Amino acid sequence: RKEVEQDPGPFNVPEGATVAFNCTYSNSASQSFFWYRQDCRKEPKLLMSVYSSGNEDGRFTAQLNRASQYISLLIRDSKLSDSATYLCVSGAGSYQLTFGKGTKLSVIP
Amino acid sequence: DAGVTQSPTHLIKTRGQQVTLRCSPKSGHDTVSWYQQALGQGPQFIFQYYEEEERQRGNFPDRFSGHQFPNYSSELNVNALLLGDSALYLCASSQTSGGAFSYNEQFFGPGTRLTVL
Repeated sequence: RKEVEQDPGPFNVPEGATVAFNCTYSNSASQSFFWYRQDCRKEPKLLMSVYSSGNEDGRFTAQLNRASQYISLLIRDSKLSDSATYLCVSGAGSYQLTFGKGTKLSVIP
Repeated sequence: DAGVTQSPTHLIKTRGQQVTLRCSPKSGHDTVSWYQQALGQGPQFIFQYYEEEERQRGNFPDRFSGHQFPNYSSELNVNALLLGDSALYLCASSQTSGGAFSYNEQFFGPGTRLTVL
């Protein structure tokens, strides 16, 4: 079983739509959680950290459920520029990050 | 402020050869991690260097080795290349602080795309 699992997609949504990505992790020792965004043939960039209390950054909302070992990302009012691959990530301390395979999002005009 | 830089950007090698990839961390960062990203996959952790020592290692064979220099830059060496080593190799830098149980954001470089023929 993969340590971090997420639906690979692709998700094809129209502009303005709301889209949700889900992810599960298996390592109960994981202490930190993130969503990274990766554009085609580019490096991953941190989109947002994920906290148990939930956190919001503009159109993006992330949520963590430690009991279920489940992480989510909600994107509201999708823009063309949101088209990318979204990587679910767990971390243990300052050391390695464990990435899911990524979910590809295409926002269509 | 320069971000993480990596060289070369692209590299083509043949099976059995050896390769060295280089990384300069973001200014102020002292920790370098290396990841391998195969096509269609998420990055996989290879190892992390701090204070010129390998601090943690992922599930990669001994053919993968590294080094960190006093100026915090790092090298990744891969010996006896296999076709399956073809991937994007990403370097990420961070600042170690707050003990082992605090997270410090890792900033990724643009990567080196290695093709093994």
